[in-house]
Amino acid sequence: QQQVKQSPQSLIVQKGGISIINCAYENTAFDYFPWYQQFPGKGPALLIAIRPDVSEKKEGRFTISFNKSAKQFSLHIMDSQPGDSATYFCAGLTQGGSEKLVFGKGTKLTVNP
Amino acid sequence: GAVVSQHPSRVICKSGTSVKIECRSLDFQATTMFWYRQFPKQSLMLMATSNEGSKATYEQGVEKDKFLINHASLTLSTLTVTSAHPEDSSFYICSARDLSRGPGAFFGQGTRLTVV
Repeated sequence: QQQVKQSPQSLIVQKGGISIINCAYENTAFDYFPWYQQFPGKGPALLIAIRPDVSEKKEGRFTISFNKSAKQFSLHIMDSQPGDSATYFCAGLTQGGSEKLVFGKGTKLTVNP
Repeated sequence: GAVVSQHPSRVICKSGTSVKIECRSLDFQATTMFWYRQFPKQSLMLMATSNEGSKATYEQGVEKDKFLINHASLTLSTLTVTSAHPEDSSFYICSARDLSRGPGAFFGQGTRLTVV
């Protein structure tokens, strides 16, 4: 019940295209869903996050879409750039609970010039 | 934004020796820090939760005598890999939460440990 399932495992997009990464969760106690971006040899960086009472959140080129009934959420990267090439992790968190982030397995995004 | 600093970024040690990794929250106080291990092309695996002034809570399967965690202050947690062996070679990452900025955790830059 703690799992967060992430797909695809890898994604190749042309510059200017839209990158879409999907996640599904099982634990309905999750009340915070962050996305992290990780470059090789670096720690993950918080990119954008959403709470389940919101269906969409946009920050610049990054948008999270959230479907509470389906227990799914996705990250959309508009106008993808080569500098967006990184590994992206979705996660779920129960605030006030164990406080532990449960991560998806990650998606390696490659944006070709 | 909040900054979590981890040191060293890379370390090579001989088998049988111990290595200490430091994790500092630079501009906020962190009562709780987390230590992760990441294998190549894999996700982050939580090793333990470090609580200031008390014992760390280890995840199942993590040897607490091998991975010693000390959280002596609100801005510093340390992970010591004792009697390191080649199989301990990995990427170790710490994180901390600044609740004044939301529930999301901020991560250090990671430490690449190589045991030879």
